[in-house]
Amino acid sequence: QKEVEQDPGPLSVPEGAIVSLNCTYSNSAFQYFMWYRQYSRKGPELLMYTYSSGNKEDGRFTAQVDKSSKYISLFIRDSQPSDSATYLCAMRPMNRDDKIIFGKGTRLHILP
Amino acid sequence: NAGVTQTPKFRVLKTGQSMTLLCAQDMNHEYMYWYRQDPGMGLRLIHYSVGEGTTAKGEVPDGYNVSRLKKQNFLLGLESAAPSQTSVYFCASREAGTANYGYTFGSGTRLTVV
Repeated sequence: QKEVEQDPGPLSVPEGAIVSLNCTYSNSAFQYFMWYRQYSRKGPELLMYTYSSGNKEDGRFTAQVDKSSKYISLFIRDSQPSDSATYLCAMRPMNRDDKIIFGKGTRLHILP
Repeated sequence: NAGVTQTPKFRVLKTGQSMTLLCAQDMNHEYMYWYRQDPGMGLRLIHYSVGEGTTAKGEVPDGYNVSRLKKQNFLLGLESAAPSQTSVYFCASREAGTANYGYTFGSGTRLTVV
C-alpha cells in the first residue's frame, strides 16, 4: 500500500458547485497535512495546512483531517473556473522535519 | 521578494550530454529539495539538503548529483543525460522547524533529452 493515495481524476464540476477532494494515507505518524494547488506549467503553491485532526477554513476553502480514518479532504465552495488546477495533498510526520510526502494530485476542471 | 528561482526554464539535451540546473532562494531557508514530476508519477524526490554543505538522497537519485556550497543555492547535475530523464524539475525550499509546514516551489525547468 502506498503511503499516500489520491485519485488522479480528472474531476469535472459545474461552476458554483461544491468540490470535494480527498486523500487517504497509511502512516499513522503523519501529523502535518497540506494541500497544494498547481496550475498548468507552474510550480505547486501551498493552499492550506492543518495540524493533526480537525477542520480549517480559509475563504471558500476548508481542509478537514480525520486521523482515525487516515483520510483528509479539501472542500471548495462556490467553485470558479479559476479553481481549475491540479490539487496535491501532502503530509509529514512529527519526527521527520526534513521531508514531505506528496499525493500524485487530482486534476480539477470547473466548467463555466 | 523573488522566492525560489530556477534556471534555465527550458532545455533540450542530447543523450550523453551534461548540464546543471540552478536553484536560488532568497528567503534564508535551511532546507532545499529537487523533485521531478512526470505524468502519472507525481512529484518524486531526487535529492535534498538540510543545510549548507549537506546533501541526502531521495527516492530517485540515480543519474543525478547535487551540491549545496552556499545556503541560498542548490545545484542539480546530470552527468550523462538519458531520455528517461526527460521531465519537469522543481526546486523547493522551506525553513527548518516543526512550525513551518510547507515548501515554496520554483516555477520549474522543462528538460527534454533526445
